Amino acid sequence: NAGVTQTPKFQVLKTGQSMTLQCAQDMNHEYMSWYRQDPGMGLRLIHYSVGAGITDQGEVPNGYNVSRSTTEDFPLRLLSAAPSQTSVYFCASSKRETYYNEQFFGPGTRLTVL
Amino acid sequence: EDQVTQSPEALRLQEGESSSLNCSYTVSGLRGLFWYRQDPGKGPEFLFTLYSAGEEKEKERLKATLTKKESFLHITAPKPEDSATYLCAVQAAGSARQLTFGSGTQLTVLP
Repeated sequence: NAGVTQTPKFQVLKTGQSMTLQCAQDMNHEYMSWYRQDPGMGLRLIHYSVGAGITDQGEVPNGYNVSRSTTEDFPLRLLSAAPSQTSVYFCASSKRETYYNEQFFGPGTRLTVL
Repeated sequence: EDQVTQSPEALRLQEGESSSLNCSYTVSGLRGLFWYRQDPGKGPEFLFTLYSAGEEKEKERLKATLTKKESFLHITAPKPEDSATYLCAVQAAGSARQLTFGSGTQLTVLP
């Protein structure tokens, strides 16, 4: 099992550009989430999904879109990048019955918006 | 509003020097408190879940405890490989999906 994979590992964007952060898991987990991690602020939930076709907003959803067409994939789209979106982004997945107990995190994508 | 405060922000220990990390929380009804370990450049790795005051969990040199207002992560005789950032998070009883994370304690264990 590869676990949770994220691409790219690093990305630099200019203000106003759009891009998609990819996340995939091969553990057949129902739950998937996107977090951002900023210095001194801890991890914050952006969007999450409880299964294919079902998504919901987390704590900081503005400026981001998600979709879940398959169990395996959960891409995060930045619609028009802003410097405030400079952060490290983590995708996580877990089984339905152990939603928080065993969240598996990906290695992260470090995004810089100029 | 749910809040999690971790202290200290950074801790340097000599190998074998035991200590504790603190996680203070304010939440409207605790559903669960979680400890994660994060190595540089990697995603967090799950360590423990605690559900009620008085509960304790152990894993190798780590022991997590929980009271009604805080949790401690005790590290006994640490080794350099225990160096990492330790994150605490809480889930409120009324929050079906969201965790509130603290900003972490960066632990360095010197040989």
